[in-house]
Amino acid sequence: DQQVKQNSPSLSVQEGRISILNCDYTNSMFDYFLWYKKYPAEGPTFLISISSIKDKNEDGRFTVFLNKSAKHLSLHIVPSQPGDSAVYFCAASAGVNSGGSNYKLTFGKGTLLTVNP
Amino acid sequence: DSGVTQTPKHLITATGQRVTLRCSPRSGDLSVYWYQQSLDQGLQFLIHYYNGEERAKGNILERFSAQQFPDLHSELNLSSLELGDSALYFCASSVGLLVGQETQYFGPGTRLLVL
Repeated sequence: DQQVKQNSPSLSVQEGRISILNCDYTNSMFDYFLWYKKYPAEGPTFLISISSIKDKNEDGRFTVFLNKSAKHLSLHIVPSQPGDSAVYFCAASAGVNSGGSNYKLTFGKGTLLTVNP
Repeated sequence: DSGVTQTPKHLITATGQRVTLRCSPRSGDLSVYWYQQSLDQGLQFLIHYYNGEERAKGNILERFSAQQFPDLHSELNLSSLELGDSALYFCASSVGLLVGQETQYFGPGTRLLVL
């Protein structure tokens, strides 16, 4: 049962444009959501996170939006740069405050972003 | 560089064998997590240790075991290996126990190939 879904295996955008990566989840107890970026032959690197009490979090060119009613989050990268080309993983955890056990991160399968110069 | 080291980088072995993967967490981090990434799969949580004690288990097979030593490094032992165990194995570390709220720093992974 895939509780965190990234339905687009890949996305290609032009340099300077916006990249929008999407993630859907099914577990209503998830209350922390994270995005990780992964380059080939490297481990995932934390990018940005959002708590369920917020609907938006920004960090430079990266913004994460959370729509709890739709159980959907998205990562916006503006402007996209060739160095952003990587696999992006969405992850979620269910904290004790939401009635969850908070014992693990559940990851999606990832979206390969390619930013073309 | 995340500060998390994993050895070996690559491992090729045969079915039925046993291997040990090693992880050294970032300095000061007490938690170590192990993940498996199979082909076309996301990262699957295997097990979490905090300061030497097992804290949580995910979908870890009984043929797999792990431990965290007093110096906080961790080892993941995989035995009676099968072809399906071929995967990337990642170790991550974090400061404490707040999964999701604390950043997990990942090592570069060990690529295991079972022939």
